[in-house]
Amino acid sequence: DTAVSQTPKYLVTQMGNDKSIKCEQNLGHDTMYWYKQDSKKFLKIMFSYNNKELIINETVPNRFSPKSPDKAHLNLHINSLELGDSAVYFCASSHMESGQAFFGQGTRLTVV
Amino acid sequence: GQNIDQPTEMTATEGAIVQINCTYQTSGFNGLFWYQQHAGEAPTFLSYNVLDGLEEKGRFSSFLSRSKGYSYLLLKELQMKDSASYLCAVLTSGTYKYIFGTGTRLKVLA
Repeated sequence: DTAVSQTPKYLVTQMGNDKSIKCEQNLGHDTMYWYKQDSKKFLKIMFSYNNKELIINETVPNRFSPKSPDKAHLNLHINSLELGDSAVYFCASSHMESGQAFFGQGTRLTVV
Repeated sequence: GQNIDQPTEMTATEGAIVQINCTYQTSGFNGLFWYQQHAGEAPTFLSYNVLDGLEEKGRFSSFLSRSKGYSYLLLKELQMKDSASYLCAVLTSGTYKYIFGTGTRLKVLA
């Protein structure tokens, strides 16, 4: 059983398109995150949701819109994709106040 | 501001011991975590410190000094498969977010 699953694993799309990445966790965690890992391998937090409520939004362009329909899901929608959006996007989950974060397999987004 | 620093790269020999340092300055502290990330894969949890001292877990140990804002990850009896990036992360209090360091790329040579 996959603990944190995100789809798709690879996404190649043209500039200007809109795309979504889905994430689901079956660990019963109350907090979910989206991270962006750039070519220098730096993991930068984008968003954090606790019990479906947005608690962190780290200066991310408003072309990025997270949606959490329930505690187990956190999807990421990106409008008007730009070349600089090319990166690996990781979803993760944890218990808010303690505990390790579990990561999804990552989505490698390439904007051409 | 919030800052977590690690060396960018380290090289060590198979069978040796290597220590990867991490210093941090964050607004609030709720624990320090070490993750391993192989190329093209997701980070996986290695160890966790919330109190000062050493936590040992097989070939891996992690140390924390909260007063100094300092941690290290110690890897013993290095194996080729330990070649990976090692990420230091702090779980802050308040908003409870994980902030990651830039990661240390470790190369283990035969």
